[in-house]
Amino acid sequence: EPEVTQTPSHQVTQMGQEVILRCVPISNHLYFYWYRQILGQKVEFLVSFYNNEISEKSEIFDDQFSVERPDGSNFTLKIRSTKLEDSAMYFCASGTGTGAYEQYFGPGTRLTVT
Amino acid sequence: SQQGEEDPQALSIQEGENATMNCSYKTSINNLQWYRQNSGRGLVHLILIRSNEREKHSGRLRVTLDTSKKSSSLLITASRAADTASYFCATVGGTSYGKLTFGQGTILTVHP
Repeated sequence: EPEVTQTPSHQVTQMGQEVILRCVPISNHLYFYWYRQILGQKVEFLVSFYNNEISEKSEIFDDQFSVERPDGSNFTLKIRSTKLEDSAMYFCASGTGTGAYEQYFGPGTRLTVT
Repeated sequence: SQQGEEDPQALSIQEGENATMNCSYKTSINNLQWYRQNSGRGLVHLILIRSNEREKHSGRLRVTLDTSKKSSSLLITASRAADTASYFCATVGGTSYGKLTFGQGTILTVHP
């Protein structure tokens, strides 16, 4: 069964450094998403991406964040200058978008900013 | 902004019993979805119910939706120890591109 994959599973970085989190969505999906979950808190929406552009973003998704689909398979989230409060589990999701927007999530990347 | 809020926050039952979790939200929705998350793992999609549906079944799962009360419930029948996980409801608004708004979740523990 097709699944969303994410790399790395765990990333440790120092404050102020740039990180790129990578995702490979399910191949025939057209809608892509990033969410994050700070430890002990609920899952929060960051951004949705369709037709090579951002379709919706949250207040969390400020100028420090960017997304890209550099080729036909990868979908990346870049954080330009990480802060301590960026430490969280980051989930990528993809969906066909047909009607109900059912989404399939990857296993997540745990980002630790020290 | 709309939110899914679940109750109870934690539920502890014996294997074989039924587990019921509730979710409330604040604004109009396109659909409501339930997800499961095992500790430290990703989110697994369980079931989706559209705003014009009242009840849906999938295996041992039964979901109801009451749009007049802005609430939903997830029933897991004949629970198993493997059902132990956190369960989240998430709503999709009428004008979004599929943005999911999650609740805080219910931690379900099923004792063997």
